[in-house]
This record gives sequence, C-alpha cells and structure tokens, in this order.
Amino acid sequence: DGGITQSPKYLFRKEGQNVTLSCEQNLNHDAMYWYRQDPGQGLRLIYYSQIVNDFQKGDIAEGYSVSREKKESFPLTVTSAQKNPTAFYLCASNSPGPSRELFFGSGTQLSVL
Amino acid sequence: QQQVKQSPQSLIVQKGGISIINCAYENTAFDYFPWYQQFPGKGPALLIAIRPDVSEKKEGRFTISFNKSAKQFSLHIMDSQPGDSATYFCAASRWGYQKVTFGTGTKLQVIP
Repeated sequence: DGGITQSPKYLFRKEGQNVTLSCEQNLNHDAMYWYRQDPGQGLRLIYYSQIVNDFQKGDIAEGYSVSREKKESFPLTVTSAQKNPTAFYLCASNSPGPSRELFFGSGTQLSVL
Repeated sequence: QQQVKQSPQSLIVQKGGISIINCAYENTAFDYFPWYQQFPGKGPALLIAIRPDVSEKKEGRFTISFNKSAKQFSLHIMDSQPGDSATYFCAASRWGYQKVTFGTGTKLQVIP
C-alpha cells in the first residue's frame, strides 16, 4: 500500500521543548513538503525539499527545522523558538511532471501543554 | 501576487442541492488549478483540477468552471450528498515552481 505515513497522530509539547514530527513515504517521490493548517487560514508552506540533502524555506519557516537524509523521510522539528506551535501539521509529496498532484499524510495535531 | 482568495468560509446545503465555492487569483503565471477535499482528521486529497486552456472540467458530480479573463474559478457540486460534507481547498501553482498556493478553505455541510 503506497502512501505517506505521519507519526504520531497527536503530540504535546512542553514549554521550551523541541519536538520532531515524522514523515515517511513509499511513493518514490522526489519532492516532499511540510504544511501547517490553522482554522480559517488554509495550508501554509513551512519547508520543502526537491532532492535528498537539499531543502528550502517556505512561507513560515521561522521556528522550524528539517532534514532530508533519505528520499523516503522528511522529519520536521518544531523548536522552542516557535511561540505558537499549536496546529495541524501535514506532510505531502509529489514528483515533477505535468500531474503536480500533492499526496498528503493524515497529519499530526500538535498542542502545547 | 501569490494569493488565492476563497469564499465562502462555510456553506450549508440541503441534500440534492448545488454547492458552489469560488476562488480568485492574482498571479497570471499560475497554470494549474486543483481542488482538494479534506475530511476531519485526515489529509487533503485531490478532487479535480483544471488548466487555463479549458473553461470547464467535469468529473461525475464535480465541475470546475474557469474564467481566465476574470482570474476566477469555482467548484460546483451537483446533487450534493451528506458524504460530501468536508472542507474544500482551491489551489494554484505555476509550472517549474514547487510551491502550491492554497485558498483558506470552505467547510461544507450537506444536511439531509
């Protein structure tokens, strides 16, 4: 079953803590993305990666970090510098070409304790 | 330049009715306009998409209408069903650019 797996489904962060959200895909896609979803604000791009060992900042990268050491994996770290981290985080992937369809995982809900 | 404005924010439609969601964009370089459907607690999934060389695309009960001169596009859901209750996002992207710009979403509720 091809797809994108995000874990955990729910995550709680304490003050001053860094937390890491996992994203794994077995679709053999080159590009991977992290979006943040807040009610009434749509999906905002945090970071994206087109190839292994390379990634670019999106529109709201401050307070977040990523790595892309393997094609299949694109973890997102929410650092203590992100003062308002409560949101639904979505990982997505696609491959270059005319389709451009984004394939999304089921998301991680991050809340602050 | 990069915004996609979506309306309404929420919509209630009776079963069997037509649901209409509208989007407007500013960047004339956009050349791909998808709609995504998202159920609660899940990630969005592609519903239907259109390119600006056609004015309408239909897939089952879902139709995209595209007006290039007005820089607007809309999603029509015919014979709306309770199972269509979800959040719908319009989006736009440009060939050669990885970024996809999303609208703010419309929460649709279809009541029996």
